[in-house]
Amino acid sequence: DAGITQSPRHKVTETGTPVTLRCHQTENHRYMYWYRQDPGHGLRLIHYSYGVKDTDKGEVSDGYSVSRSKTEDFLLTLESATSSQTSVYFCAISLDRGYNEQFFGPGTRLTVL
Amino acid sequence: DAKTTQPTSMDCAEGRAANLPCNHSTISGNEYVYWYRQIHSQGPQYIIHGLKNNETNEMASLIITEDRKSSTLILPHATLRDTAVYYCIVRDNFGNEKLTFGTGTRLTIIP
Repeated sequence: DAGITQSPRHKVTETGTPVTLRCHQTENHRYMYWYRQDPGHGLRLIHYSYGVKDTDKGEVSDGYSVSRSKTEDFLLTLESATSSQTSVYFCAISLDRGYNEQFFGPGTRLTVL
Repeated sequence: DAKTTQPTSMDCAEGRAANLPCNHSTISGNEYVYWYRQIHSQGPQYIIHGLKNNETNEMASLIITEDRKSSTLILPHATLRDTAVYYCIVRDNFGNEKLTFGTGTRLTIIP
């Protein structure tokens, strides 16, 4: 398995609280991604990063922010969690732009009450 | 990115070859066909990809028709561990960064 870890693996929080999810890789891959997976929607891209301090929005970025201060870590922050952000969040990495073999982490199950 | 169409579900007997079809009739010349799978509660797993030639690796074979409008993923000797949702994705290697996962095919391997 690619060296990708996500923390926490499970989290329950209340509406309005800030939440930060962490993705950590040991592969030194340039690209990192955050997806969410919901029933009936498949996986949808939230944000991605193409290098340290270089990030861009995906298709469902509203309500989320990201940061990447070093190659190995990509943080996803929900500034004020809402119940619609209850989901399973997957981090993925890929070697570079032309490499579409994305390797996924184990996921974080987030419940917002 | 081109849209793909896959059957919702399929069954296959353990030990037999599982053949998963995918239609991508609007694929363009620079788009690749990728296959991923997702075993229950885990992150998606890359399987194989190809452009126009057939491809084989340790996990599977990918057969792409000559007109590239459809493809078939073949798991040669299916095991119970191959029970998963299989996603067919087409995209180029130069455009936006996201993988568009549709609803995929739920493959169940029957003992």
